[in-house]
Amino acid sequence: NAGVTQTPKFQVLKTGQSMTLQCAQDMNHNSMYWYRQDPGMGLRLIYYSASEGTTDKGEVPNGYNVSRLNKREFSLRLESAAPSQTSVYFCASSQLGLAGHNEQFFGPGTRLTVL
Amino acid sequence: EDQVTQSPEALRLQEGESSSLNCSYTVSGLRGLFWYRQDPGKGPEFLFTLYSAGEEKEKERLKATLTKKESFLHITAPKPEDSATYLCAVKYNFNKFYFGSGTKLNVKP
Repeated sequence: NAGVTQTPKFQVLKTGQSMTLQCAQDMNHNSMYWYRQDPGMGLRLIYYSASEGTTDKGEVPNGYNVSRLNKREFSLRLESAAPSQTSVYFCASSQLGLAGHNEQFFGPGTRLTVL
Repeated sequence: EDQVTQSPEALRLQEGESSSLNCSYTVSGLRGLFWYRQDPGKGPEFLFTLYSAGEEKEKERLKATLTKKESFLHITAPKPEDSATYLCAVKYNFNKFYFGSGTKLNVKP
């Protein structure tokens, strides 16, 4: 049981390049999330997917797109990378409970540098 | 404006020296407050969920409490292995969470 996996672990891009960050979970969770973490700012929600086939914007969606490929996989795409997108990106998943969605399980993160 | 604030930003303790971390929030319609532990280079790891004022949860040397405006994470007789960044998060609707910027705890032997 791997939990939440992310690829790649590290990536360096040049301004204007594109790339896709991959995320997969094996816990049969309904909801999946993409966050970015910057020093002193905590985790900020980029996009989330409440269930297969649905996606919604979070706090900081500009410059990103997402795809919920199936229940297991949720990818994040940077179409034209900018230095402001240098950050650590975390994928998370959660399962619906009696009080709504419960705790989130996080992947190990992707460290992205845009030059 | 909805906000989650953690204090202090950093805390250095001697082994065995108990203390508390604070998470204050101004989010309306709270649907749960979560505490996570994050080790360097890793993703956050879930510790506790609190849903209503007065609720308390414990795990080993950690105890989380919740009021209408804030939550505390009490650390009793900490050990060096408790060194990490502790994050709190507030669920403010069905699917969205606000995270604080964390408290970096360093426990010296």
